[in-house]
Amino acid sequence: AQSVTQPDIHITVSEGASLELRCNYSYGATPYLFWYVQSPGQGLQLLLKYFSGDTLVQGIKGFEAEFKRSQSSFNLRKPSVHWSDAAEYFCAVGGGDYKLSFGAGTTVTVRA
Amino acid sequence: SQTIHQWPATLVQPVGSPLSLECTVEGTSNPNLYWYRQAAGRGLQLLFYSVGIGQISSEVPQNLSASRPQDRQFILSSKKLLLSDSGFYLCAWRRPGYWTGELFFGEGSRLTVL
Repeated sequence: AQSVTQPDIHITVSEGASLELRCNYSYGATPYLFWYVQSPGQGLQLLLKYFSGDTLVQGIKGFEAEFKRSQSSFNLRKPSVHWSDAAEYFCAVGGGDYKLSFGAGTTVTVRA
Repeated sequence: SQTIHQWPATLVQPVGSPLSLECTVEGTSNPNLYWYRQAAGRGLQLLFYSVGIGQISSEVPQNLSASRPQDRQFILSSKKLLLSDSGFYLCAWRRPGYWTGELFFGEGSRLTVL
């Protein structure tokens, strides 16, 4: 069975500081990995995805994520956070079937 | 371009009343369709998915049901709502046969059962 763990429920970061959100997955084969962002009361928007190839992937809004197979991780990073990055972030894993499994999410608060 | 619409955006219903949430996708054919529920402080739980008209797979046993009467329409229903049905319901679609593809989400429908 596939699953995703996001160890941090809530992170507070100062504007301009760096951000890293952790994601660990469980999947029996080569996973397809995704990060989504959700603003309050809204649907989810894709930030970036990993299928194969370069393990460091770039996404929208200045985010990047690194796939580490040995650690079953796909952590999301941003070098300098903006106030507009305050949102909930979800990591998801999928494979050769119809479904994506999502983590419980990490809420990011940005302080001035 | 493809778009996805959900309605109503907000719904307050008494316990025991029926429910109907609708989702429509435009600009694509034969999409894979999904209903997810997001309860307060929790992640996304897959409820139903559909790969074609009349083809519904249920992931979690509950008092909800889903139907796909047309290619790009996906409906979530209940005959009698429970308090535990409260939550944020998200419809999503995916390109058919493209298993590596991401899901595209609607804006969500917030259901409060009182």
